Parts: sequence; structure tokens; C-alpha cells
Amino acid sequence: DQQVKQNSPSLSVQEGRISILNCDYTNSMFDYFLWYKKYPAEGPTFLISISSIKDKNEDGRFTVFLNKSAKHLSLHIVPSQPGDSAVYFCAASLWGGGNKLTFGTGTQLKVEL
Amino acid sequence: KAGVTQTPRYLIKTRGQQVTLSCSPISGHRSVSWYQQTPGQGLQFLFEYFSETQRNKGNFPGRFSGRQFSNSRSEMNVSTLELGDSALYLCASSVSGTGTSRGYTFGSGTRLTVV
Repeated sequence: DQQVKQNSPSLSVQEGRISILNCDYTNSMFDYFLWYKKYPAEGPTFLISISSIKDKNEDGRFTVFLNKSAKHLSLHIVPSQPGDSAVYFCAASLWGGGNKLTFGTGTQLKVEL
Repeated sequence: KAGVTQTPRYLIKTRGQQVTLSCSPISGHRSVSWYQQTPGQGLQFLFEYFSETQRNKGNFPGRFSGRQFSNSRSEMNVSTLELGDSALYLCASSVSGTGTSRGYTFGSGTRLTVV
């Protein structure tokens, strides 16, 4: 049972435009959400996170939006740069769940010149 | 400071064999978690160790086991390897009991191929 879903396996965007990566979850007990970026042959690196008590969090070019009623979150990257080309994973955690994260299957973002 | 170190980086094993992977967390980090990444499945949680105790366990068969030493270094072991165990195995370390912060750092992984 995939509790965190990223339905788009790939996304292609032009440099300078907005990239929107989507993520849906089914477990309403998730209370914290994170986005990770992963380059080939490297481990995932933390990008941005959001608590369930918020609906938006910004960090530079990256903004995460959370819609709890729809159980949906999205990552916006503006403007997109070629160096942003990577696989993006969303992840969720349960309150009291320690360090266990439930990940989506990832979206391959390609930013083209 | 040094990051999370996983050894070896690459490993090829034969079906039926066993394998041990190692993870050295960032100095001062007491929590180590292990994940399996396969194409189409994303990262799946194996287990977490905190202060030498297994605190969380994912839905993997008993062939997958782990341990943590007093210096916080962790090992995971897979016995009776199957072809489906071929994957990238990632560990992540964290200072405290919750990984919901920037302090959750992944290593580069061990690529295991079972033939």
C-alpha cells in the first residue's frame, strides 16, 4: 500500500520557468512532510519541509504548499535552473514515528536550456 | 565535518549468499536508519537504530537484520540473498530521535547486485 504517491514519474521544464512537482498521501496521521533531491550515485539531500499546521513554506526558489483537506502537497521551483535536474522525492512522517519516513516513488525533473 | 559514510559503495553477490553493509554516521549522531531503493518503488524503510536499540522496523522479511554499535556505527545484514534484493541501500543519520529536520543526512549508498 503506497501511502505517499508521486503520480508523475517525469517532468520536463524550460530553464527560467516554474517547475511544479506533486505528491499525494493517504494517511491523515502524517504530520510532517519533506522534499528531497537526489542526483545519480549520491544519497538524497534535504530540500524543504512543512509541518501539517502550516500550508506554505518558502526557502529561496523553493516553496512547498500543503493542502490537508485534499491530502496533497506540491513543490514549486521558481525559476528553474539546469542544476535542478534530479529526482525529487516527497516524504512524510508520523508524530512519534521517530526517524521513519515514508517516501513517494520520485519524479525525475529535467530542466532544459 | 565528515558526512555519512557507507561501505562498500558497490557489491556483487550470488544468490543464496549473505552480505553485510556498513554505515558510519556523522559524529555525534545517535540515530541511524536504513532504506532500500529500487526502481519504481522509491525508498522503503528497513529499520532505525537509536542508541544501539532497534526503534522502528519496516515491512521486510527476517532475512534483513541490523545492529548498532556503541560508537553509533551501524551494520545491516541480508542473508540468503535473492535476485530481488538487488537495490541501492541507503543509510541516514540524525542527532536526535526525530528526523523531521535538516539534520537527517543520507549517505551515498551501497549498490548491491545479486546475480
